[in-house]
Amino acid sequence: GAGVSQSPSNKVTEKGKDVELRCDPISGHTALYWYRQSLGQGLEFLIYFQGNSAPDKSGLPSDRFSAERTGGSVSTLTIQRTQQEDSAVYLCASSLRRENTEAFFGQGTRLTVV
Amino acid sequence: GDSVTQMEGPVTLSEEAFLTINCTYTATGYPSLFWYVQYPGEGLQLLLKATKADDKGSNKGFEATYRKETTSFHLEKGSVQVSDSAVYFCALSENTGGFKTIFGAGTRLFVKA
Repeated sequence: GAGVSQSPSNKVTEKGKDVELRCDPISGHTALYWYRQSLGQGLEFLIYFQGNSAPDKSGLPSDRFSAERTGGSVSTLTIQRTQQEDSAVYLCASSLRRENTEAFFGQGTRLTVV
Repeated sequence: GDSVTQMEGPVTLSEEAFLTINCTYTATGYPSLFWYVQYPGEGLQLLLKATKADDKGSNKGFEATYRKETTSFHLEKGSVQVSDSAVYFCALSENTGGFKTIFGAGTRLFVKA
């Protein structure tokens, strides 16, 4: 696609429910990142994929969070048993695996847990 | 591991003031350096970049010079405008191994008319 696409753009869920957030990176981009941005805060790194493997998942805040990537393309971030503190904008970015390359961001999914 | 540290905000300036947002990095190799900007209600986008020591990236009146000796990439603008109000993120991209991009925490800038 032309850019990084995330869906849904907004999600309101009840506390305790599971949610799935989707990221469709730019075609050919092998690197994919998930970040979380709480209101008025900076970027919190969650997980990094290179192809289908995740060499760095150190940012996942708890075992309720998981992510996978299939076919070196689409990635899904799953949050189980959502809590109110999970409310944030979840950003996905992708980049080429080569020198001097920038990361391209999607518009994010705004998650609200009520 | 590699990391990026940038000054905490928020930074509040009057229009036409001089802006500096400090950014330093640690890296084992020779990374590329970036500044990204996030305007209110919008996604992150690349502002400028520099790919080797002593390179100067520039865009929209903003500049940053890749200083290897001080491991810094400070963002500067001579005269800020209200429209520059945004969150600014410093980042590095490894040029070896996984080519991973690492972001600083972000600095929020408010410019008053």
